[in-house]
Amino acid sequence: DAGVIQSPRHEVTEMGQEVTLRCKPISGHNSLFWYRQTMMRGLELLIYFNNNVPIDDSGMPEDRFSAKMPNASFSTLKIQPSEPRDSAVYFCASAGGGKETQYFGPGTRLLVL
Amino acid sequence: DAKTTQPNSMESNEEEPVHLPCNHSTISGTDYIHWYRQLPSQGPEYVIHGLTSNVNNRMASLAIAEDRKSSTLILHRATLRDAAVYYCIPWAGTASKLTFGTGTRLQVTL
Repeated sequence: DAGVIQSPRHEVTEMGQEVTLRCKPISGHNSLFWYRQTMMRGLELLIYFNNNVPIDDSGMPEDRFSAKMPNASFSTLKIQPSEPRDSAVYFCASAGGGKETQYFGPGTRLLVL
Repeated sequence: DAKTTQPNSMESNEEEPVHLPCNHSTISGTDYIHWYRQLPSQGPEYVIHGLTSNVNNRMASLAIAEDRKSSTLILHRATLRDAAVYYCIPWAGTASKLTFGTGTRLQVTL
């Protein structure tokens, strides 16, 4: 299995632009999680889905952030408009298949200028 | 969510055992105790988990206190590749949140 796949791996954009991060979970997993990591705040959960349905989005910072999971094999995290304080590493993780563990992707390093 | 307390940092010499402690005194009866680690510039990776009994796998051992209010991750022979931040996380399973604390940064020296 290829593991959790995230794209792009690096993204540099200017303030005000729309940013879309993509995630392909491990096949057969029914839970998907989006995290953000910064030096100041550490690793924090933004939102998670179970069977493609958002279960808890209380970690989403504000209305500029939105996440979708149109099917079991794809999810997006969108920031519109982006701001410099959104600069962070964004991780996607998936879980399921009868195993009680989360598998993380390599992350997307976002820099908003 | 159950709160956890871990030392900010620990040091070990290579090829020596390392005991990483974690206090989780507010853990619920159904939460498993999970350990993850994050190597530099990588996403977190699963290490081990357990409920009540001590657990062993190829990466590490997990010793759980009888009252489940604390646990210890044991790396039997630390290597330079084990240098990472180790997170102890009580977790109810795939349908619930995994909340990372600040973890313990392990340094391994020659």
